Amino acid sequence: SQKIEQNSEALNIQEGKTATLTCNYTNYSPAYLQWYRQDPGRGPVFLLLIRENEKEKRKERLKVTFDTTLKQSLFHITASQPADSATYLCALPASGGSYIPTFGRGTSLIVHP
Amino acid sequence: GAVVSQHPSRVICKSGTSVKIECRSLDFQATTMFWYRQFPKQSLMLMATSNEGSKATYEQGVEKDKFLINHASLTLSTLTVTSAHPEDSSFYICSAALQVNTEAFFGQGTRLTVV
Repeated sequence: SQKIEQNSEALNIQEGKTATLTCNYTNYSPAYLQWYRQDPGRGPVFLLLIRENEKEKRKERLKVTFDTTLKQSLFHITASQPADSATYLCALPASGGSYIPTFGRGTSLIVHP
Repeated sequence: GAVVSQHPSRVICKSGTSVKIECRSLDFQATTMFWYRQFPKQSLMLMATSNEGSKATYEQGVEKDKFLINHASLTLSTLTVTSAHPEDSSFYICSAALQVNTEAFFGQGTRLTVV
């Protein structure tokens, strides 16, 4: 069955550094992949969508890559700030042709001043 | 981006009572909305797909008689947790998308505590 894996351990980095989060998936070939940010006690907020024919996508300090051979997406935040501290969720459309997003568990990012 | 508003943000209820959660799309019409549940440090688990004017589609293992979904208009879906029990305590989140295969917009979430 479809499986989405994100590192469950929190990522701690120093302000100004680049944070890199990983999303791996198995048993599936999604047409696109999404990244969301979730703050404690709040609903997720959409950040970026990258399609299978796109290798890389950028938005301000964010960069996402999508390697369909490795079945992996990397999410980068450059020049990280304490305000970037949150949980970042990877989402794929459910397998079987559905477009309903299925989420990974998310990785917590903590940026230290 | 589109705005999805969810109400209430927090609710505490007694065991055995029912609780209604509202999800509204404020600036767009949502034929389809989705309801998720999230336990601490866990991923969002899809509970059901709410379809305007028709019955909701429930995921396997979700009791449709316990989690009643009504999508009476293009801007409002409601989730009613009936005869709530402490194990129903969770974070419930709704979402909607403008089009298929595009980003989803989420409500603020509802923290339900059943005592």
